[in-house]
Amino acid sequence: DAKTTQPTSMDCAEGRAANLPCNHSTISGNEYVYWYRQIHSQGPQYIIHGLKNNETNEMASLIITEDRKSSTLILPHATLRDTAVYYCIVRANDYKLSFGAGTTVTVRA
Amino acid sequence: EPEVTQTPSHQVTQMGQEVILRCVPISNHLYFYWYRQILGQKVEFLVSFYNNEISEKSEIFDDQFSVERPDGSNFTLKIRSTKLEDSAMYFCASKRTDQNYGYTFGSGTRLTVV
Repeated sequence: DAKTTQPTSMDCAEGRAANLPCNHSTISGNEYVYWYRQIHSQGPQYIIHGLKNNETNEMASLIITEDRKSSTLILPHATLRDTAVYYCIVRANDYKLSFGAGTTVTVRA
Repeated sequence: EPEVTQTPSHQVTQMGQEVILRCVPISNHLYFYWYRQILGQKVEFLVSFYNNEISEKSEIFDDQFSVERPDGSNFTLKIRSTKLEDSAMYFCASKRTDQNYGYTFGSGTRLTVV
């Protein structure tokens, strides 16, 4: 699976949009970009995924660049409950996820 | 919303003892996984299971570990002879067959080996 690079941490103001970047310059054509988050040692929670088109669901939006070498997860209106570690993962097969260190996002009131 | 259920939430065991961690995946899911997270470290893949057999396993998943789906609903992880370094959160996850769904993780079992 392709490796990803994310900032170690970022702060966000409550009610504002949080934009979380991820670089995956070695991504292959059949690899999807997945985002998960982990709130304080709970099980990771699936957020969204995409292949090449931008995606939106009730939790977030995923913007993937045209060359697919980077992506941005957007939390449109961050709340205190969005404080978590966010993981960007690229994978092709069904067998496993490889978690990195992720980005620790702290939402401040 | 369907959930992956893990029991117990916390297990304390003595070194050398066998432990079984239990998971009930979502009913229509066909892929099953165990991950673990040592305190303060990354979430690590242990094993994936599909069609009643192991699909892939990591280097961590040595002969001390085994998985089983004994009755079509439960999915278990057994550690035969626990070591201090097995202390971690163990997460079970399940997934539908197709690519367009993410994994659903359980809330984990905290295993403490003393």
